[in-house]
Amino acid sequence: EVQLAESGGGLVQPGGSLRLSCAASGFTFSNYWMTWVRQAPGKGLEWVANIKEDGTENYYVDSVKGRFTISRDNAKNSLFLQMNSLRAEDTAVYYCASGRLENWGQGTLVTVSS
Amino acid sequence: QAVVTQEPSLTVSPGGTATLTCGSSTGAVTSGHSPYWLQRKPGQAPRTLIYDINKKYSWTPARFSGSLLGGKAALTLSGAQPEDEAEYYCFLCYGGPWVFGGGTKLTVL
Repeated sequence: EVQLAESGGGLVQPGGSLRLSCAASGFTFSNYWMTWVRQAPGKGLEWVANIKEDGTENYYVDSVKGRFTISRDNAKNSLFLQMNSLRAEDTAVYYCASGRLENWGQGTLVTVSS
Repeated sequence: QAVVTQEPSLTVSPGGTATLTCGSSTGAVTSGHSPYWLQRKPGQAPRTLIYDINKKYSWTPARFSGSLLGGKAALTLSGAQPEDEAEYYCFLCYGGPWVFGGGTKLTVL
């Protein structure tokens, strides 16, 4: 059974940092693009970033460029999102998803507030 | 980055047909945008129904279908069921970056 489990969310002050993780199991992680998607309270889904199977390509939504970094460790079947210089508008539930978004995690809540 | 537009809301009668559309600020939606459609119900993770315009997953109910229609991507629900009441999001691929539409709240009433 395919499973994606996000962790690392929490409450952080504006300007702070968090590192989200996504543990994957039940499929060959290294064969799939991986994606982070978020949903702010009362808002729609927003694509955040994605990364190629081997980590050599990645893309970001404009609003997080220069602040967030997506990475992966194929040996540990793990996806990461390093989030720096966090802002109130980054408050959201963050989901990881695999490949053509056929599998999703349950999400981890990030709250940026003083 | 581009803006993807969807109807904010639609209502369909049980057993009826609804067509949701997905447009791009950059022009016509084409196969190059690889349109996707996701279903989102409260308290649940999103579930992807359609990819690459009209391809389905094993879990996609047969009553859902995708197409290109009048320069937009379209999701057609034929024979709506009460359990289809949800928010539906499309997203389009612009080379590397992807962009979600704002979502359509579909009411089955």
